[in-house]
Formats: sequence, C-alpha cells, structure tokens
Amino acid sequence: DIVMTQSPDSLAVSLGERATINCKSSQSVLYSSNNKNYLAWFQQKPGQPPKLLIYWASIRESGVPDRFSGSGSGTDFTLTISSLQAEDVAVYYCQQYYSSPFTFGPGTKVDIK
Amino acid sequence: QVQLQESGPGLVKPSETLSLTCNVSGVSISNYYWSWIRQPPGTGLEWIGYIYYSGTTNYNPSLKSRVTVSIDTSKNQFSLQLNSVTAADTAVYYCARHYGGNLPPLDWGQGTLVTVSS
Repeated sequence: DIVMTQSPDSLAVSLGERATINCKSSQSVLYSSNNKNYLAWFQQKPGQPPKLLIYWASIRESGVPDRFSGSGSGTDFTLTISSLQAEDVAVYYCQQYYSSPFTFGPGTKVDIK
Repeated sequence: QVQLQESGPGLVKPSETLSLTCNVSGVSISNYYWSWIRQPPGTGLEWIGYIYYSGTTNYNPSLKSRVTVSIDTSKNQFSLQLNSVTAADTAVYYCARHYGGNLPPLDWGQGTLVTVSS
C-alpha cells in the first residue's frame, strides 16, 4: 500500500494569511505515460462529508475558490490557501488514486489564530 | 444534481453483518464507479472498495475477505455488506461517485454512523 503522510498535524493562521499543508507519499504517484500525478486534496468540515478541492495534484475542482492551489510532483505535494477565510476552517486530507488501495493522509486541521 | 443517500441499521452486534445501501438520484448509476469509504469517529478516511456499473469490483485488501459490494441498476442503488464485524468497524460510512476507477471521488453522501456493540 502507498502510505500518505501529512504535515503539520494542525496549524492556526490569521485571517488573510497563507496556510500551507504538506503531503508525502511513500512511493511516486506520478504516472510516466501521461505525466499526471494521481493526487487529490479534500476539505472536510465538522459533520459534513469530504469535499474534493484539487485533483491531478493541481487542478481545482469546479466552484473551488482560486485561493486554493495545489502543487508538487512525484512524492511531495503542497496545498496552499493563499488568504485564509473563516469558512476555510476544516480538516484537509490528501489522497492518492495511483494504485489500489486508494489511501488518504491522516489529515491536517486548520484553525484561525 | 447528483444526490447519494446511505441507509441501513445504525447499530450492529459484534460478529454479525453490516449492511448498507446507497440510493442514487439525479443521475443514472450506469457508466460511473461507486465507492464505499468509512471514517472511524475522530479519525481519518479509509477506502473500502468500489464497484463499476457492470459489476466489476475492487476492494481494499485489508477488508477484502469480509466485504461485498453489489449494484442494482434497476433500483439505481448499490450496497455494502461487511461480515463478522467488531468494534473496530464502528465508523461513519460514506458512499461516493467517481467518474473513473482511477479518479478521486467527486460526489459523496452525507454519511451514516454505524456502531458495533452488543
């Protein structure tokens, strides 16, 4: 299985400031034949199901604000919230869909400082 | 607008079978992949398995010996059976839709809490 790790476990950021979450996979999730990273980011608010934010490591899902961006390749990835808003308080998960079983990171909790 | 709704018992006894159904509305269950994903209280997400409308399945090896996912295209629903449950199977169970077997889940149900306890 591909093991996903995230750092930090939690972070508190002032409103309007940048939040950065890191995700690392135990093996590369870059598929060489199409040069795509099989990596997604989800946002989960309390009492709600996860919501897909980013796929192919950097493509924003329709309707996701452009303050959310994803980057990285191979085994190291980053989710950046450029200007934190109150509604961004949530737990963020990365997921690899390169190989079965499709595994999630343990999550990073984002709060307001 | 796609809607997914999980249903089933909220309490299951140890060693018995957990059975859930996901009712899909707003889209035909055909031509998509459908997953079950669970989340134990206060912890992270675990993918259980998926089924394609044709009946092809892919299960998490950690659960494969106990899991069956089936689909009923006539009712536009799919189901999960998990045998020989223990307290470790207590979780919120989500159903979800994918556009492809190697794509992340896009649409999710609200989830249903299943507690395993005598």
